[in-house]
Amino acid sequence: AQRVTQPEKLLSVFKGAPVELKCNYSYSGSPELFWYVQYSRQRLQLLLRHISRESIKGFTADLNKGETSFHLKKPFAQEEDSAMYYCALKNAGNKLTFGGGTRVLVKP
Amino acid sequence: ETGVTQTPRHLVMGMTNKKSLKCEQHLGHNAMYWYKQSAKKPLELMFVYNFKEQTENNSVPSRFSPECPNSSHLFLHLHTLQPEDSALYLCASSAGGLQETQYFGPGTRLLVL
Repeated sequence: AQRVTQPEKLLSVFKGAPVELKCNYSYSGSPELFWYVQYSRQRLQLLLRHISRESIKGFTADLNKGETSFHLKKPFAQEEDSAMYYCALKNAGNKLTFGGGTRVLVKP
Repeated sequence: ETGVTQTPRHLVMGMTNKKSLKCEQHLGHNAMYWYKQSAKKPLELMFVYNFKEQTENNSVPSRFSPECPNSSHLFLHLHTLQPEDSALYLCASSAGGLQETQYFGPGTRLLVL
């Protein structure tokens, strides 16, 4: 069975500081990994996906198959980055499994 | 509103009531999903429809009954729910197939008394 683990429920950082959200997964096949974000009072939306290998809003995430991780990083956090972040894994059957989420609070 | 819409946005119902949640997508997608987001649990996939056919039922109790009359509309019929069913119910859609991104609606917040 596939599983996604986000060990940190809350990350509190100061503006300008680096932030890293951890995500580990277990899946026997070839996974596709995503990060979704939910800002206050807004809907859940895609932030980035590993196959795109792009940087969105300054965030990057690298799939490490050896460590089965897909950590999300941003070198300089901004106040507008405060949100809930969900790591998700999609299997070959198009089923998305979400992690428990990490709340990021960026303090001024 | 474009994208994925859900109605109602908030719903309070008693355990003996029957109600329905509605989801509509304006993206021309072929796949639609129902998720449950509880306060203390990760997002849980409930149902998947692809080209109006149910392709996944994630061991959801029968008091939740989905209906997909066409590729643009998805319903979740509720009857004899329990208080622990109180949660945010999210609808999503995707173009279908592997590698496709899912787009989420704003959710319906349900409270069962």
